[in-house]
Amino acid sequence: NAGVMQNPRHLVRRRGQEARLRCSPMKGHSHVYWYRQLPEEGLKFMVYLQKENIIDESGMPKERFSAEFPKEGPSILRIQQVVRGDSAAYFCASSPSMVSSYNEQFFGPGTRLTVL
Amino acid sequence: QQQVKQSPQSLIVQKGGISIINCAYENTAFDYFPWYQQFPGKGPALLIAIRPDVSEKKEGRFTISFNKSAKQFSLHIMDSQPGDSATYFCAARGRGSQGNLIFGKGTKLSVKP
Repeated sequence: NAGVMQNPRHLVRRRGQEARLRCSPMKGHSHVYWYRQLPEEGLKFMVYLQKENIIDESGMPKERFSAEFPKEGPSILRIQQVVRGDSAAYFCASSPSMVSSYNEQFFGPGTRLTVL
Repeated sequence: QQQVKQSPQSLIVQKGGISIINCAYENTAFDYFPWYQQFPGKGPALLIAIRPDVSEKKEGRFTISFNKSAKQFSLHIMDSQPGDSATYFCAARGRGSQGNLIFGKGTKLSVKP
């Protein structure tokens, strides 16, 4: 059973370009979370999605950032017109359900975005 | 406002010693407290987790101690090994929340041989 997969693992963009980060949850998981980690910092929640629905985007910057989790295919975190401050590691996590609030979140290896 | 405060920021322990990392929280609605271990270049991996209805949970060399009245919890690593060298994050999740975790800033542990 493959774990959470993220690609690309490393992404370099110039200021003003777009960045697309992909996340394939574990098999059987229907909940996806995106977190951002700045150097020497903990992870900060960005957005929580279920298939075709954004459940909580309270941690997402209001501009330039968007996320989706379509019925088919991976979840996508999209950053438009990137700036240097967007340089960070972006982690995706998945969990099987929200029946219990104790369900473990399994993290992917992350995408390290560098904006030149 | 930081809702989960973690200390120390870094920790050096001799092989065989006990590593202790502390966290404090403010929101009494939190009811799930996991610890994650992260190696350089990797994603966080769940190490051990506790609910506030118990005061201690042990799994192998790893123990969580939980003090509900003080709103504090700690991770103890017994017989620390060089392979334990990593960054450790405490986290919390609220009852009835949408599931997102709130993380501490992390503790970088180095175990010297």
